[in-house]
Amino acid sequence: QSALTQPRSVSGSPGQSVTISCTGTSSDVGGYNYVSWYQQHPGTAPKLMIYEVTKRPSGVPDRFSGSKSGNMASLTVSGLQAEDEADYFCSSYEVNYKLVFGGGTKLTVL
Amino acid sequence: QVQLVESGGGVVQPGTSLRLSCAASGFTFSHYGMHWVRQAPGKGLEWVAGLSSDEKRKPIADSVKGRFTISRENSKSALYLQMNSLTTEDTAIYYCARDPDVSGHFSYFDPWGQGTLVTVSS
Repeated sequence: QSALTQPRSVSGSPGQSVTISCTGTSSDVGGYNYVSWYQQHPGTAPKLMIYEVTKRPSGVPDRFSGSKSGNMASLTVSGLQAEDEADYFCSSYEVNYKLVFGGGTKLTVL
Repeated sequence: QVQLVESGGGVVQPGTSLRLSCAASGFTFSHYGMHWVRQAPGKGLEWVAGLSSDEKRKPIADSVKGRFTISRENSKSALYLQMNSLTTEDTAIYYCARDPDVSGHFSYFDPWGQGTLVTVSS
């Protein structure tokens, strides 16, 4: 049960786009379409942003989008806004009914 | 509205036990899978354990296997985490989270509770 691999940090200016990668294996990300993404601001609980690779819960801005290719999933944030600055975590279902998270990525809006 | 409220955290000594509770409201609890996820201070998220709606699937992380047990009481819309033989590495905020649990797969966590802090220290 190894954590998924995410970059420790990414940054972008307001209005720009950034992409956060999440790399796993064929036993998790590559094997199932159950990748989800979470946003966490300091001192608060995580919030679901993307589920089942590409789906967006109601209330989440369409600036947030997800994709997957092979063993790597990605979260793209377009039209960056100051409030997007937060930690982002990916998660995937893996074999034996378990789930695994990525190490987290700090998004800084310059 | 859908709400999850954790309780039972506190400061305990290494080697002791603690039981966390999660009170659910605003949805039909028995229809959903549930999870415990923890976050050590300044660290990332770690999935701890899950429990399917039919209680047939009860996966648990290798890091806590043999020490932690997840359970639920549908009549009370409650989820529990029994934690035994606690070590300093178990110090974390513990969140409960709901899972739609469809098609025989756990899939995502939504919503999350506000968390309860467990500190293991001598």
